[in-house]
Amino acid sequence: EVQLVESGGGLVQPGGSLRLSCAGSGFTFGSFAISWVRQAPGKGLEWVSGISSSGGNTYYADSVKGRSTISRDNSKNTLFLQINSLRAEDTAIYYCAKLKGTYSWNWYFDVWGRGTLVTVSS
Amino acid sequence: IVMTQSPDSLAVSLGERATINCKSSQSVLYSSNNKNNLAWYQQRPGQPPKLLIYWASTRESGVPDRFSGNGSGTDFTLTISSLQAEDVAVYYCQQYHSSPPYSFGQGTKLEIK
Repeated sequence: EVQLVESGGGLVQPGGSLRLSCAGSGFTFGSFAISWVRQAPGKGLEWVSGISSSGGNTYYADSVKGRSTISRDNSKNTLFLQINSLRAEDTAIYYCAKLKGTYSWNWYFDVWGRGTLVTVSS
Repeated sequence: IVMTQSPDSLAVSLGERATINCKSSQSVLYSSNNKNNLAWYQQRPGQPPKLLIYWASTRESGVPDRFSGNGSGTDFTLTISSLQAEDVAVYYCQQYHSSPPYSFGQGTKLEIK
């Protein structure tokens, strides 16, 4: 079964940092680009960051650019998102989602994890 | 690319048709393959999003045929031909027209009337 499982969420004080992880299984992890998508409580979906299959290309939403780093370890089938200088508005469920296809970014998300909750509060 | 859905919420009787609209601020038609880079997702309460439709009109495997997608360029629709109780959810459109950033519509909440 193709699966993505997020971890690393929790309660963090404003200004703090967090490193989220996403473990993939059931597919050739290193062949697919993967993104982070978040959802604030009661709100819609917001694409946050994406990384190519090799890790050589990374993209960020303006809302996290400059204080986030996406990375991956294909030898361990794991994706990461480091977020620094956390703010209350970063409070959300963070999902990882893989692209269906390869070799381009013109693909939809076919598999989603169940998410990990990040709460930024003092 | 900004994605705008309408309506924000919708109440439909069981067995009736539900239609959700999605408009993109620029065309998401990929001229090289004549496909629209537009997907629809369903998110039930407490669940992650689930892929329903891709390339604007292709149903994902296992999705009931009462779900259909239509449209091209900048205007798209998701139609549920005969609403079932399990279709209560929030529905999102998403463009994947080029390299990121990707963008989603704000969501349409579908309820039973």
